[in-house]
Amino acid sequence: GNSVTQMEGPVTLSEEAFLTINCTYTATGYPSLFWYVQYPGEGLQLLLKATKADDKGSNKGFEATYRKETTSFHLEKGSVQVSDSAVYFCALSDRGDTGRRALTFGSGTRLQVQP
Amino acid sequence: DAMVIQNPRYQVTQFGKPVTLSCSQTLNHNVMYWYQQKSSQAPKLLFHYYDKDFNNEADTPDNFQSRRPNTSFCFLDIRSPGLGDAAMYLCATSGTGGQGQPQHFGDGTRLSIL
Repeated sequence: GNSVTQMEGPVTLSEEAFLTINCTYTATGYPSLFWYVQYPGEGLQLLLKATKADDKGSNKGFEATYRKETTSFHLEKGSVQVSDSAVYFCALSDRGDTGRRALTFGSGTRLQVQP
Repeated sequence: DAMVIQNPRYQVTQFGKPVTLSCSQTLNHNVMYWYQQKSSQAPKLLFHYYDKDFNNEADTPDNFQSRRPNTSFCFLDIRSPGLGDAAMYLCATSGTGGQGQPQHFGDGTRLSIL
């Protein structure tokens, strides 16, 4: 079956530091890959996505590249801010029998950015 | 703005007392999902509707049921809540277009059991 593995947190960084959160996946076929962010007390928000090999998703300074050869989708940001403190979930989507796009989530990585 | 709205944001109920959580959407999406998220864990899919077709996950307890009276609304019913059901419940929707359709989440309902 499908699975997503993320680096464990919390990740604690100083403001303006470089961020990498590792994500690798196992899937049959050709899944779409997503990063979602969850701020305290809120639901999940789509941060970025990529639908095929070598695609790069980007949003709000965050980037991730779909690497089929290494089955990875690592999240990066060049300079984090305190407002980026949240939990980040890597996920993959595969088309199921019912037509839904089932999401398989990683366990989440908590990012704490200190001023 | 088109969105997914969950009510209430916080719900407190007593052990064994039925409770209903609601979700509405203005995205006109075919698929609606309910997830359970416990503290510091990833969301766990309970079930989903594709239009009016209900699809239960194999390990979802019988205590959890759902209704979707129309495209816009979906309800989660917990018939006899136990202490282990205290969690955040997230509703999400998705379209059925091409590859890469994301799920759109509401802000969740945090359920507490007394």
